[in-house]
Order: sequence, then structure tokens, then C-alpha cells
Amino acid sequence: QSALTQPASVSGSPGQSITISCTGTFNDVGTFNLVSWYQQHPGKAPKLIIYEVTKRPSGASTRFSGSKSGNTASLTISGLQAEDEADYYCCSFSYETSGMVFGGGTELTVL
Amino acid sequence: QVQLVESGGGVVQPGRSLRLSCVASGFTFNNYALHWVRQAPGKGLEWVAVISYDGSNAYYANSVKGRFTMSRDSSMNTLYLQMNSLGPDDTAVYYCARPGVSGNGWNYYYYHYMDVWGKGTTVTVSS
Repeated sequence: QSALTQPASVSGSPGQSITISCTGTFNDVGTFNLVSWYQQHPGKAPKLIIYEVTKRPSGASTRFSGSKSGNTASLTISGLQAEDEADYYCCSFSYETSGMVFGGGTELTVL
Repeated sequence: QVQLVESGGGVVQPGRSLRLSCVASGFTFNNYALHWVRQAPGKGLEWVAVISYDGSNAYYANSVKGRFTMSRDSSMNTLYLQMNSLGPDDTAVYYCARPGVSGNGWNYYYYHYMDVWGKGTTVTVSS
């Protein structure tokens, strides 16, 4: 039950776009369109921003978008803002355990 | 409003047990599966376990299987996590989380993402 693979950190300037990748296997990301993404600010609980690869929950910014190709899912944040500086986690259903598996997390720095 | 409030955390010696609680409000408790997710200090999120809407089924992460048990009490709108044989690697903030899909079924459709989170309760395993 290995964690999904994310880059440890990414950065971008205000107004730019960044993409965070999330790589799994055919047991999780590759087979199921059940990838979700969470934003977590320091000391706070995670917040859902994308589910089922591409869907945004009510209230989530339209600047967040998701996609998937093969075993890799991606989160794109467009028009970066200072408030986007946070940790981002992907998550997927895992056939291996019938449970969930998270990525290691990516720290986003807005320069 | 929809809310989850965890409690029961604290400092516990290695090898001992602890039971966490999560009280739900603002939604129909019996219509949702529920998760526990933990986060070790300075580390990422780790999924721990999920329980079905009626408590009859549960899945666990390999790291806690055989040591942790989830249960729920619909009369109290409360979710539990019984943690036995605790070790230093269990030190973490423990969050309960509700999926975004309601219904009285039991497959991944009913728990594959988490749209409501509690604020967490901290467990420290130390001698």
C-alpha cells in the first residue's frame, strides 16, 4: 500500500499557473476515476477542492481544475494568488485495500 | 451546519490503548460512511480506516489493521476509533471525515472522497 507520488514542492508567481502531478498505479489512479484533491493550510484541516478527477465541489474556486492521463492525475491552479499558498494532497480509491491512499503532499509557494 | 468534532486524544504510553470519538451534527448520521485520517507531525495525510453507514463493514490501512477498530453509535451520532498496541508511529493528529456521497450502500462509490472534515484530535505516544 504505497502512497501516491507527488512532487515535494512547487512554486509560482501571482497570476501564473502551476500543475501538481500525482502518480499511482493501475490499482488506484490508473483504473478508477476516483481521484480527489485537498488543500491544507498550516494548522488547519484539509479542504476538498476536486473530486472524481475533474469535479469541483460547491464553493471551490474555479481556478482549480483536475485531469488524468494513465496512472497520473494532475491539479492545475490558474491565476495564482497569495491565498493559494498551502499544502496539496491527492487521494485515490485503492483496489489493493478497498480503502483510500493519499499522496505524500506538495507544498505550494507563491513567490 | 454540518460539523464533525473529534475528542479523546492525549498522551499515552507505548503499548497502551486509547479510544477516539467523533460527534456528528447537521446531517443524517445513518446515511453516510465515515473515515479516519491521520497526520503525523510535519508529515502528510494518511488514510486510516472507513466504516459503512450502518457499522457492519470497515476497511483499514495495513499500518493499523489488527490494532485499530472503528465503530459507530447511531443513537449518539458518534464515530469511534479504538486504538490498541499503540506505538510512536501512531503519534498524529486524527481527523474524522465524511464522504460527499450519501446512501445505504457499501462500495467505493459511497466513500471515495471526503467533503467534511473535523478539526482533529492529537494523539501522542510517548513514555
